[in-house]
Amino acid sequence: QVQLQQWGAGLLKPSETLSLTCDVDGGSFSGYYWSWIRQPPGKGLEWVGEINHSGSTKYNPSLKSRVTISVDTSKNQLSLKLSSVTAADTAVYYCARVHLAPDWFDPWGQGTLVTVSS
Amino acid sequence: SSELTQDPAVSVALGQTVRITCQGDSLRRYYASWYQQKPGQAPVLVIYGKNNRPSGIPDRFSGSSSGNTASLTITGAQAEDEADYYCNSRDSSGNLYVFGTGTKVTVL
Repeated sequence: QVQLQQWGAGLLKPSETLSLTCDVDGGSFSGYYWSWIRQPPGKGLEWVGEINHSGSTKYNPSLKSRVTISVDTSKNQLSLKLSSVTAADTAVYYCARVHLAPDWFDPWGQGTLVTVSS
Repeated sequence: SSELTQDPAVSVALGQTVRITCQGDSLRRYYASWYQQKPGQAPVLVIYGKNNRPSGIPDRFSGSSSGNTASLTITGAQAEDEADYYCNSRDSSGNLYVFGTGTKVTVL
């Protein structure tokens, strides 16, 4: 059974770069798309972007200028970088596996709270 | 702004039936998936595709769709079903994903 374990810095200052990693254990990495999704405290879910094993990406237009998602197929890991963060980027960030046609997200990582504060 | 709209909150008496709706133009072309989220936990997939439940999801959860509206129905709601529920689908372009605004379900 696939399990997603994520980690990264939890406290950033404004203008710094958010960096998170998600490790995929117990299942196929290639052949799937992988997404990052975030949730500000007390608010709803927001899709950040996705990547496949070959590195093809799609991003939420509202974040596209600041976000980079990458994969390391040798380690079965995906990463998220978000530059020039502000307090509005404070959120719990989740990684998730994407299934296509029909589309759904499962499983999800445990989530990482990233707080941006001066 | 979100392209998938949900009612902010609904309540249901224990053992009764509740329907949660998700509206958006993209739902005319794409199926919705549904996620249950309890406080402090990651979302959990409950329905995907036309009306499919992952292993371990009780059969009191079901999905349906008509026109621009997707629905999640809980038949015989239990106390443990109290949670936030989010729909998800592709956006109008079909290239990206969007989540619904979320519905808080209270079981009375």
